[in-house]
Amino acid sequence: GAVVSQHPSWVICKSGTSVKIECRSLDFQATTMFWYRQFPKQSLMLMATSNEGSKATYEQGVEKDKFLINHASLTLSTLTVTSAHPEDSSFYICSAPDRSFAEAFFGQGTRLTVV
Amino acid sequence: QQQVKQSPQSLIVQKGGISIINCAYENTAFDYFPWYQQFPGKGPALLIAIRPDVSEKKEGRFTISFNKSAKQFSLHIMDSQPGDSATYFCAASIRGSTLGRLYFGRGTQLTVWP
Repeated sequence: GAVVSQHPSWVICKSGTSVKIECRSLDFQATTMFWYRQFPKQSLMLMATSNEGSKATYEQGVEKDKFLINHASLTLSTLTVTSAHPEDSSFYICSAPDRSFAEAFFGQGTRLTVV
Repeated sequence: QQQVKQSPQSLIVQKGGISIINCAYENTAFDYFPWYQQFPGKGPALLIAIRPDVSEKKEGRFTISFNKSAKQFSLHIMDSQPGDSATYFCAASIRGSTLGRLYFGRGTQLTVWP
């Protein structure tokens, strides 16, 4: 099946710094990618929809200036957590549907810890 | 508002038993119902999925039962194994849309005792 690669798998950063998370579709082109946030023992919460070549669409309550999304190519979307704070510590997961939107493939997730 | 409601929140089953997880939805436009399995520290992985034109789909030990009139679907894991211990999420989407957005249930933490 198709593969979505997410990097890094974990990162620790100091409060106030920015962190970039990459999401790549390895063997298919993804015009759309989704970014989720997951707290321990909770479901996936959609943060934003990343669209290749255009602005991302953010869910209500998600700060677009804090969570910068760039989808510059058909195989790469990035999420940058700017001026990270301890409350941003979470598990971030990206997902990409195949071209026919028949199936969604998930990255391995990124554990962000802000200290 | 939770678009997909999932129960139970947690489930403990003995090895060899049947695990059953239930989900319900309201939006009749949903036409794709996948189940995902997630291990700690990993992203979700597609387990099995069904479309509303069939009432049941089986893949190995995993079966989805779908009741369109009741707007409910369930996952049955036969002969449950300790390796099945994970969190399971049901989801729903509208495949005809150009976004392919998934609406997730809250998840069920399954523990299979050896």
